[in-house]
Formats: sequence, structure tokens, C-alpha cells
Amino acid sequence: TQLLEQSPQFLSIQEGENLTVYCNSSSVFSSLQWYRQEPGEGPVLLVTVVTGGEVKKLKRLTFQFGDARKDSSLHITAAQPGDTGLYLCAGARGSGSRLTFGEGTQLTVNP
Amino acid sequence: DADVTQTPRNRITKTGKRIMLECSQTKGHDRMYWYRQDPGLGLRLIYYSFDVKDINKGEISDGYSVSRQAQAKFSLSLESAIPNQTALYFCATSDTSGTSGYNEQFFGPGTRLTVL
Repeated sequence: TQLLEQSPQFLSIQEGENLTVYCNSSSVFSSLQWYRQEPGEGPVLLVTVVTGGEVKKLKRLTFQFGDARKDSSLHITAAQPGDTGLYLCAGARGSGSRLTFGEGTQLTVNP
Repeated sequence: DADVTQTPRNRITKTGKRIMLECSQTKGHDRMYWYRQDPGLGLRLIYYSFDVKDINKGEISDGYSVSRQAQAKFSLSLESAIPNQTALYFCATSDTSGTSGYNEQFFGPGTRLTVL
């Protein structure tokens, strides 16, 4: 059973477009992390959200944690080819507990 | 220098062979993890270790074993490799002793394993 479901699984857009990736669960998480993975490399942490309703911004990326702490979204404004990669969400169900990862969203931004 | 290193980066082997994947870290983190990644399945936890004397099974530990030789080293073994163990394997570390406590993880570059 996949505790975290990401959608869409694949997304191909043109440079300059906006997009949103979703991470949903029926379970409550104490914190949720977003990672980006490029080909031939391991995932790299982008952000951690911990409070229901929290919004964090990282340049053109906006991350939101749902009020009930069961879901999260990643919004990218004016996507660039350098944003191409696999985006993974991961939830923790207690402080210091192991992470559960979503299946990932493969984003391709075409020039 | 890379903080988390994995060797080998690529390995092709045959069914039934014993394989060891190694992970070293210079981050000084106490926790280490082994994950496998398959297309459409994200990252699944195989084993994890909170310190040198602690080993815990993850979601998919069958067919795998691990050894935490030192705080900086964590190896993964496939005693008798089978084709459905073909995957990308990642080592990761985290430090919950004094930072955020949210188990933020730092990954190695991965090992691509093919079992024929």
C-alpha cells in the first residue's frame, strides 16, 4: 500500500509555463519533505514543511503543506529546463522517524 | 569531495552470485539507510541503522542483509542475487542528534545493479 501518492506521474511542459505537483495521503504526517533527483544522481532535499497550512518559497518554487497535514503541493512558476528532474515527496510520522516516499513526478521542461 | 559515496556505481552480475554494495559518509551523521528505486515505485527502504550497534529492517528486507562496520560505513549484501533485484540502490544518511529532528536525508549517487 502506497501511503503517499503523487500526481501526475509524468509532466512535460514548455519553458515559461507554470505547474503544480501534488502529494496526497490518507495519513497524517508530522513533517513532509520534497526532493529533486537528476539522472545519475541521488535525491537532493529541497524543503521540509512541518506546520499545517505552511507555505515555503524557494525562488520560483512554492511548497504548501495541507491544513490537516495529509497532503502537500509543489508549484513552479515560469518553469525552466533546469527544473527538469524527478520530484519526490516524503513524509515522516513522528520526530526522527523513517520516511515514506511517494512514487515521484517526472518533470520535463522543454526549451 | 562527496559527503556520501557509494561503490561500485555500476555492477552487472549473474543470478546466484553474492554482491556487496558499500557506502561511506564523511558527514558525521549517526543514521544510515539503504533504499532501492524502481520506476514508478519511488524509493523503498531496505534496512536502516541508527548507530553502529543498531540494525532495523525496512519495507523490503527479504533477500538482503547489512553490516554497519563503523559510524561512517554501511554495506548492503545480496547473498544470492536474483533478476528482480535489478534496480538503483541508494545509501542515505541523516542526523537527528542535534538539528531539525525531521530526519532530512542526504543521499549518495547510487549504484545501478543489474542481475542477469
